[in-house]
Amino acid sequence: DAKTTQPTSMDCAEGRAANLPCNHSTISGNEYVYWYRQIHSQGPQYIIHGLKNNETNEMASLIITEDRKSSTLILPHATLRDTAVYYCIVRVGTGGFKTIFGAGTRLFVKA
Amino acid sequence: KAGVTQTPRYLIKTRGQQVTLSCSPISGHRSVSWYQQTPGQGLQFLFEYFSETQRNKGNFPGRFSGRQFSNSRSEMNVSTLELGDSALYLCASSLSPQGARDYEQYFGPGTRLTVT
Repeated sequence: DAKTTQPTSMDCAEGRAANLPCNHSTISGNEYVYWYRQIHSQGPQYIIHGLKNNETNEMASLIITEDRKSSTLILPHATLRDTAVYYCIVRVGTGGFKTIFGAGTRLFVKA
Repeated sequence: KAGVTQTPRYLIKTRGQQVTLSCSPISGHRSVSWYQQTPGQGLQFLFEYFSETQRNKGNFPGRFSGRQFSNSRSEMNVSTLELGDSALYLCASSLSPQGARDYEQYFGPGTRLTVT
């Protein structure tokens, strides 16, 4: 199963871009990269996912390296409400969900 | 569209008792997954149900079981509760057609279980 490695914590100034890295060097060719975040005491929230190409939605951008061994989640203008634990996940299993969450990155957005 | 709902939100039980938690997925979603979250172990996958069948299973003892009904609602049961079962239990739903890999999961708010 592909595993992910993320920094334990990061700080970001409010209004600046937050760039959260993730290493997934053992990813298989048909596995997607997903990002979720969890604000204290709430259920995780889906942010974005991708396979090969860079992706953007209203919440964030996902940059995947050409060799797919790492990715970066970008929150373009971080706000205090973006303070959360961010999980980078690689989908595992032959069908359905057997999602393995790592420890994630605790992002602190400071005023 | 209503989100994933979980009941009850909070629960206190005694060691040795059993508990049943309920999850109602987003309308139209057929996949329901359950996770346990503790400060020490983080988010751990319990099992996933799709069309009333268990499709994937994590590494938990047989005391943890689940089922899914024809309307996609799901329940999980924990028998012979232990202190270590105190956790936030999260349910997630997804469209997840058979064979698809690129569908996201939507999580509920969780049920916080305390075992005393």
